[in-house]
Amino acid sequence: QKEVEQNSGPLSVPEGAIASLNCTYSDRGSQSFFWYRQYSGKSPELIMSIYSNGDQEDGRFTAQLNKASQYVSLLIRDSQPSDSATYLCAVGGGSNYKLTFGKGTLLTVNP
Amino acid sequence: NAGVTQTPKFQVLKTGQSMTLQCAQDMNHNSMYWYRQDPGMGLRLIYYSASEGTTDKGEVPNGYNVSRLNKREFSLRLESAAPSQTSVYFCASIRGQGHDTQYFGPGTRLTVL
Repeated sequence: QKEVEQNSGPLSVPEGAIASLNCTYSDRGSQSFFWYRQYSGKSPELIMSIYSNGDQEDGRFTAQLNKASQYVSLLIRDSQPSDSATYLCAVGGGSNYKLTFGKGTLLTVNP
Repeated sequence: NAGVTQTPKFQVLKTGQSMTLQCAQDMNHNSMYWYRQDPGMGLRLIYYSASEGTTDKGEVPNGYNVSRLNKREFSLRLESAAPSQTSVYFCASIRGQGHDTQYFGPGTRLTVL
């Protein structure tokens, strides 16, 4: 059974701070790693994807992958109240493009 | 380009009733997926269809059936609904070539009394 674990949260940060979200996975054969954001009552939307070790940056978001440690993280710089949402870590691999999701971490950014 | 659409948005059923959740995508994607999301449980895969004409079980298939009607449409059927099937159901699709990711529909909120 493939498992994806996220820090349980909830996580609360002040506006302008860096929010750090973490995720570990059990399947060493995993090849693709994603962070989805989900606002309350809405569907998940992709914010970052990463496929190789190191950092991947997109605006205020940085995804970090360490396959040796089976660890993925998401950093949100200059956090805004609009970043308040649940963040889902998803891990995939194989030709069927199936994803295994973590349970999510609720982030609240306080003005 | 509507992306992934789901109908209905909300549904209330009585125990034992049946219903079909509809999902369609207009992105010419090859693979489609059905998930359920329960509080504290994250997204769990019910069934998926890697390509037109194929379907496979996911993590929690019991009590559900699926049909990949054509490349665009993938339906989820509850033959005899149970209160344990109260959940939010999401459909997703993916092109399935190279580096790619799943795109989600808006969800169906189902309550079984």
